[in-house]
Amino acid sequence: DAMVIQNPRYQVTQFGKPVTLSCSQTLNHNVMYWYQQKSSQAPKLLFHYYDKDFNNEADTPDNFQSRRPNTSFCFLDIRSPGLGDAAMYLCATSRGKGVTENQYFGPGTRLLVL
Amino acid sequence: ELKVEQNPLFLSMQEGKNYTIYCNYSTTSDRLYWYRQDPGKSLESLFVLLSNGAVKQEGRLMASLDTKARLSTLHITAAVHDLSATYFCAVDASGGSNYKLTFGKGTLLTVNP
Repeated sequence: DAMVIQNPRYQVTQFGKPVTLSCSQTLNHNVMYWYQQKSSQAPKLLFHYYDKDFNNEADTPDNFQSRRPNTSFCFLDIRSPGLGDAAMYLCATSRGKGVTENQYFGPGTRLLVL
Repeated sequence: ELKVEQNPLFLSMQEGKNYTIYCNYSTTSDRLYWYRQDPGKSLESLFVLLSNGAVKQEGRLMASLDTKARLSTLHITAAVHDLSATYFCAVDASGGSNYKLTFGKGTLLTVNP
């Protein structure tokens, strides 16, 4: 089935130790998003790619970076995780092409920072 | 800046009862989305509303959009326990030009036997 896949589903890292979260999609969608969701809060958009065009949210910390090497894959790099970065990280995709269609979410990666 | 407000934020209801969740937003938009999230899980798309007066129904849930009032409602009919979850509305106010959604804070629905 076409879908959005995130790996790993759970990630434990140490304070300050870089970590990379992975997202892949088989929907062939143009747009890929990374959201951070803390407990009992709404998802917060960190950045998104339209094809290779990177769009950073103004309040996304520099500690968060992203790469999209091809249409199917997108990575979230957290360079020096702090305790406050513990959250669920959600990847989503949409078709784009001038119409904000529905966003399709992956299962998420829950990050724990020790 | 687009603001999206949901109310109530917490809703406890008995099985068999009806209730409505409201989603207000602050700028012009004709694109509104409803998602469901179970604890510890990702977001599941429920409804996509893309025009004024749009109404969509799926099972015991019905969503509507009034773009003039900048209001969407999610109506629950004869609630059952399986509907217990957090419900988010999300709005695109860009006219489709920047592919971004702004989410409300979510409504935590608990349906009691």
